[in-house]
Amino acid sequence: DAKTTQPPSMDCAEGRAANLPCNHSTISGNEYVYWYRQIHSQGPQYIIHGLKNNETNEMASLIITEDRKSSTLILPHATLRDTAVYYCIVDYYGGSQGNLIFGKGTKLSVKP
Amino acid sequence: DTGVSQDPRHKITKRGQNVTFRCDPISEHNRLYWYRQTLGQGPEFLTYFQNEAQLEKSRLLSDRFSAERPKGSFSTLEIQRTEQGDSAMYLCASTGTGHNYGYTFGSGTRLTVV
Repeated sequence: DAKTTQPPSMDCAEGRAANLPCNHSTISGNEYVYWYRQIHSQGPQYIIHGLKNNETNEMASLIITEDRKSSTLILPHATLRDTAVYYCIVDYYGGSQGNLIFGKGTKLSVKP
Repeated sequence: DTGVSQDPRHKITKRGQNVTFRCDPISEHNRLYWYRQTLGQGPEFLTYFQNEAQLEKSRLLSDRFSAERPKGSFSTLEIQRTEQGDSAMYLCASTGTGHNYGYTFGSGTRLTVV
């Protein structure tokens, strides 16, 4: 079973920030938080990952709470092309445990 | 390198037939994964290779399923005696050992068993 819980769906207005929450209360000390997204009819796409500190890249920012039991993915200026299912996953460094366990994710709809 | 390639993109087959899918990972990636995804669900892990060695298999991988990666490069996934319940998207992903940049997925093969 997935070790994360996410809301099934969210809406966001185009140009606004999209904040996608994820709970991972049973995360262990050496597990990372990964985010992927899946646009319709494509394979999942890696977005960002983090361990303890907040992270930012060209796609998004990842905010992890101090107790590491939850995190938020932030798309600062959502566009229509960001409409996708977003998956929050916990995994060991480099996926050394062999596989990713996906939940059902959050379906983000960006509306004009 | 253009990423992870999967072939074919779509396959329609009659129940009871055998099908084979191919995955070409990113060339320097030594780890290769197969996932299955049904409508409305997240991808489910099937099996994993490190180089040519198959290191892990899910309970989902019944006796009718077999995967190979003979030279540690491309991989094939074969389903024998297909059933309607095998209809799904079959995804391949690759990654390298010792780096932490996530998995790169292919676009998948959509199988429809009629």
